[in-house]
Amino acid sequence: AQSVTQPDIHITVSEGASLELRCNYSYGATPYLFWYVQSPGQGLQLLLKYFSGDTLVQGIKGFEAEFKRSQSSFNLRKPSVHWSDAAEYFCAVGFTGGGNKLTFGTGTQLKVEL
Amino acid sequence: DGGITQSPKYLFRKEGQNVTLSCEQNLNHDAMYWYRQDPGQGLRLIYYSQIVNDFQKGDIAEGYSVSREKKESFPLTVTSAQKNPTAFYLCASSIQAGGRYEQYFGPGTRLTVT
Repeated sequence: AQSVTQPDIHITVSEGASLELRCNYSYGATPYLFWYVQSPGQGLQLLLKYFSGDTLVQGIKGFEAEFKRSQSSFNLRKPSVHWSDAAEYFCAVGFTGGGNKLTFGTGTQLKVEL
Repeated sequence: DGGITQSPKYLFRKEGQNVTLSCEQNLNHDAMYWYRQDPGQGLRLIYYSQIVNDFQKGDIAEGYSVSREKKESFPLTVTSAQKNPTAFYLCASSIQAGGRYEQYFGPGTRLTVT
């Protein structure tokens, strides 16, 4: 069965520092990869997605992610974090032939220190 | 503005009562989904629907029921058979069902059962 791992439950960074959130998936087929952000008590907003082509994808709010097939990873990055980036971040993966659904990781809670 | 609406935002019920959560979308999407979110567990799929008058069980369907009589609407009923119904419920939609399609989320309904 497909699975998604976000190894970091909580991450704290200082405002202005760089950020990397990790995401690993397991399955043999070509994945479709997504990052979502959720503010407290709200729904999820799509940050970026990867389907094919260039393995470095740009998203909204200055975020980017890199797909590394050899490592089964899709890590989210931001060069300089703003206090408003504090939220929970979810990685999700879908597969061709993997059923009509996305599988979500358990999330990483980001805290930004001023 | 196109989007997904969920109502109400907060819902309180007594144990043993059924309760129905509303989800409406005006994105003209074929597929709709219901997720349950608990702290530290990410999003778990309850039910999804690929098209009107059709729906499939997700990973945690026991104690829940759905209907899809209109393309725009996908209500979720939490029955008294659901052993631990207190949670945050998220509705989502996508253009079609399938792992390659990003999902758009509503703002969620927090259900508290006492």
